Amino acid sequence: VQLVESGGGLIQPGGSLRLSCAASGFTFSTHLMHWVRQVPGKGLVWVSGITKDGRVTTYADSVKGRFTISRDNGKDTLYLQMNTLRPEDTAFYYCAREGDYCSGGRCYSTGFDPWGQGTQVTVSS
Amino acid sequence: QSVLTQPPSASGTPGQRVTISCSGSSANIGSTTVNWYQQVPGTAPQLLIYGNNQRPSGVPDRFSGSKSGTSASLAISGLQSEDEADYYCSAWDDSLHGWVFGGGTKLTVL
Repeated sequence: VQLVESGGGLIQPGGSLRLSCAASGFTFSTHLMHWVRQVPGKGLVWVSGITKDGRVTTYADSVKGRFTISRDNGKDTLYLQMNTLRPEDTAFYYCAREGDYCSGGRCYSTGFDPWGQGTQVTVSS
Repeated sequence: QSVLTQPPSASGTPGQRVTISCSGSSANIGSTTVNWYQQVPGTAPQLLIYGNNQRPSGVPDRFSGSKSGTSASLAISGLQSEDEADYYCSAWDDSLHGWVFGGGTKLTVL
């Protein structure tokens, strides 16, 4: 089971970047997926999540309207399109798989596992 | 400022038992389950506890989790030098409609 992010780099404020997360070793289409970011030396911050079929997406308020999460289940790949980037978006970006189980008509999370190795995004002029 | 509150640091000597607290509200911990992650500096986080107290396969039984009301705790018994890492709690927040994390607790093994 592996997740490998790519697409990070140095970008000027106001610019755009698309991150990719290639999944392998498991059935990608049966898992919710997420992006989490971390400023070096600081804590983890959830960015965005997407349902198994890609129909429902959720975002942190700090990126709503600027970032778009999507997935291609045929290519086993998760994406994060980041527009109108700001210096405060500078961070290490991780993708993560969320497990869940359903019982009695309700589904329960089994946490984010695994995480990719991350990709660095630096927004600076 | 993180939605979930953790102490910034904790410490213990080898063999000791250490607990890390995580305080939230009725919108998150009080209404759903808590997950814990371990992050060794320079590496990606790893799932340590899910569903308040369940250990993924491969996680030693020295690690245990509990929840009461709007707070949760992670306990590490028989502390080992390899446990030195940052620990994060996490839960879904019904008000924010998103996942929230604690600010992290840096565990030092003296």
